[in-house]
Amino acid sequence: GQNIDQPTEMTATEGAIVQINCTYQTSGFNGLFWYQQHAGEAPTFLSYNVLDGLEEKGRFSSFLSRSKGYSYLLLKELQMKDSASYLCAVRVSGNQFYFGTGTSLTVIP
Amino acid sequence: DSGVTQTPKHLITATGQRVTLRCSPRSGDLSVYWYQQSLDQGLQFLIQYYNGEERAKGNILERFSAQQFPDLHSELNLSSLELGDSALYFCASGSLNTEAFFGQGTRLTVV
Repeated sequence: GQNIDQPTEMTATEGAIVQINCTYQTSGFNGLFWYQQHAGEAPTFLSYNVLDGLEEKGRFSSFLSRSKGYSYLLLKELQMKDSASYLCAVRVSGNQFYFGTGTSLTVIP
Repeated sequence: DSGVTQTPKHLITATGQRVTLRCSPRSGDLSVYWYQQSLDQGLQFLIQYYNGEERAKGNILERFSAQQFPDLHSELNLSSLELGDSALYFCASGSLNTEAFFGQGTRLTVV
């Protein structure tokens, strides 16, 4: 089976940096994805890692260590609109995507 | 706009009834995925189809079934509905080595 863990809730201050961690135990690993989801809306793709290391996309960066089964999403220069749920997802061979329960981030002034 | 279309957006029905949710994938995507998201819950993988064939099953109840048609659109059928089936149902599509693209979801309320 697939086991994906991430913190349930986090709070951070506008303008600050926040790191959301994700650990996973899967078979047939084929990529780690981060999605953002506002309440009642569709998840939208943020970033993707298949090799170890850091991927940077503007204010968002994602890191992967396959040997440790660990990833994090780093959000810089936080804005109020970044308040949302952040979903860690693992793609496995066969192209299925399994999601963690999500981290609800609240950005405060 | 992800390019994935789901209908209807909202559905209210009574317990014991049957409903069908419809999904049109992005042009060119052969894989269709169905997910269930209950209040304050994560996305639960239900089932995946690839080019008309069932590829993988997740936590899908026996009361639920799905299919993918030759034009690649997909339908999720939910029968003998219970109050606990009230949730957001998302369809996503993708191709090899791409991310999954999500539709806007169907909010099902069972009363």
